[in-house]
Amino acid sequence: RKEVEQDPGPFNVPEGATVAFNCTYSNSASQSFFWYRQDCRKEPKLLMSVYSSGNEDGRFTAQLNRASQYISLLIRDSKLSDSATYLCVVNDNTNAGKSTFGDGTTLTVKP
Amino acid sequence: DVKVTQSSRYLVKRTGEKVFLECVQDMDHENMFWYRQDPGLGLRLIYFSYDVKMKEKGDIPEGYSVSREKKERFSLILESASTNQTSMYLCASRGPHRGTDTQYFGPGTRLTVL
Repeated sequence: RKEVEQDPGPFNVPEGATVAFNCTYSNSASQSFFWYRQDCRKEPKLLMSVYSSGNEDGRFTAQLNRASQYISLLIRDSKLSDSATYLCVVNDNTNAGKSTFGDGTTLTVKP
Repeated sequence: DVKVTQSSRYLVKRTGEKVFLECVQDMDHENMFWYRQDPGLGLRLIYFSYDVKMKEKGDIPEGYSVSREKKERFSLILESASTNQTSMYLCASRGPHRGTDTQYFGPGTRLTVL
């Protein structure tokens, strides 16, 4: 079993749709959590951190459930420009805080 | 703005060649990482470093070595390139706070080994 698992995708949705991605992690000592976005043939870039209390940034909402060891990302009112691969990232609590990446979920938003 | 640069965007090498991939960051970050990314396998950590001259093996260190002589520079070395090392290589750096600091990635080097 992988340390970080994401919805397999791909997700194909129309513009304006709401879409949710889930990610589960196996290491209960995991300390911090992030969602990254990666466009085709580009490097990953931070989308948002995920806090225990949940956090929102415009159309994006991230939530963490430590008891069940999963995080989620909700995108409301999808735009064509949201088409990308979304990576779930989990940091452990070692000295360097090693990051483990999920394999990513691909989202395509269609007109 | 954090900037992470990698020495080449595209590289073609022959089997058995020694390959150097260079990564430089300008934010005085302590932590630096090398990943490879392959279709269907996601991002996999090769090596990381949390200080000058310090290095730690990641999940797939076999066939690779690293060097960190200066804080801003982290090099990945393929001692004898093989075709199964054809991949996209991504370097990243991060500040000291593992709980909150995020990783900043370079643009990647697409390496092809013939």
